Amino acid sequence: DAGVTQSPTHLIKTRGQQVTLRCSPKSGHDTVSWYQQALGQGPQFIFQYYEEEERQRGNFPDRFSGHQFPNYSSELNVNALLLGDSALYLCASSLLPGTGRAFFGQGTRLTVV
Amino acid sequence: AQTVTQSQPEMSVQEAETVTLSCTYDTSESDYYLFWYKQPPSRQMILVIRQEAYKQQNATENRFSVNFQKAAKSFSLKISDSQLGDAAMYFCAYRSEGETSGSRLTFGEGTQLTVNP
Repeated sequence: DAGVTQSPTHLIKTRGQQVTLRCSPKSGHDTVSWYQQALGQGPQFIFQYYEEEERQRGNFPDRFSGHQFPNYSSELNVNALLLGDSALYLCASSLLPGTGRAFFGQGTRLTVV
Repeated sequence: AQTVTQSQPEMSVQEAETVTLSCTYDTSESDYYLFWYKQPPSRQMILVIRQEAYKQQNATENRFSVNFQKAAKSFSLKISDSQLGDAAMYFCAYRSEGETSGSRLTFGEGTQLTVNP
């Protein structure tokens, strides 16, 4: 049973560019959430997707957008990259409604130069 | 909005000894879940233990146990018989009961645990 998989593992982008990160949820899960984890800090909730719609959103600007596909996989898009967007981006999946347990992927390390 | 605070940026423990990591939180809700996650250098968040706020009994998972004080809004993690593999960043996290999914979590800043042989 595959867990949550994210791609790519690492990514380097230039300020002002756009980036797309991908996430495949754990088998049987239908809900995907994205988190941003800056170096030395705890993860911050970006948004959550269920039934191909954004259901909840954290305090992030509109430069951060996402998508969920019919197979439940998800993308996180960030436009007009800033140096401050450099972080580890974590994807978590769960079953809605569920037991409260979220499973995390290993993350994508984004570096903006 | 809920907040989670971990006041110990770093902790260390000798192998086979016991260590306690602290966490406090702020919420106006009565029903919620609390979690401890472990993040090793591999970066993947691993669930260590979970506590439902409506349960008075403290959760236990093998060598890991919590001290949940609802009135004080305190949720500490005790690791007994520490092992080298326990070395990692530990995060305390909060989730509202009202959330219908298990994924929206509010995390603390983390505590880096070092286990000395």
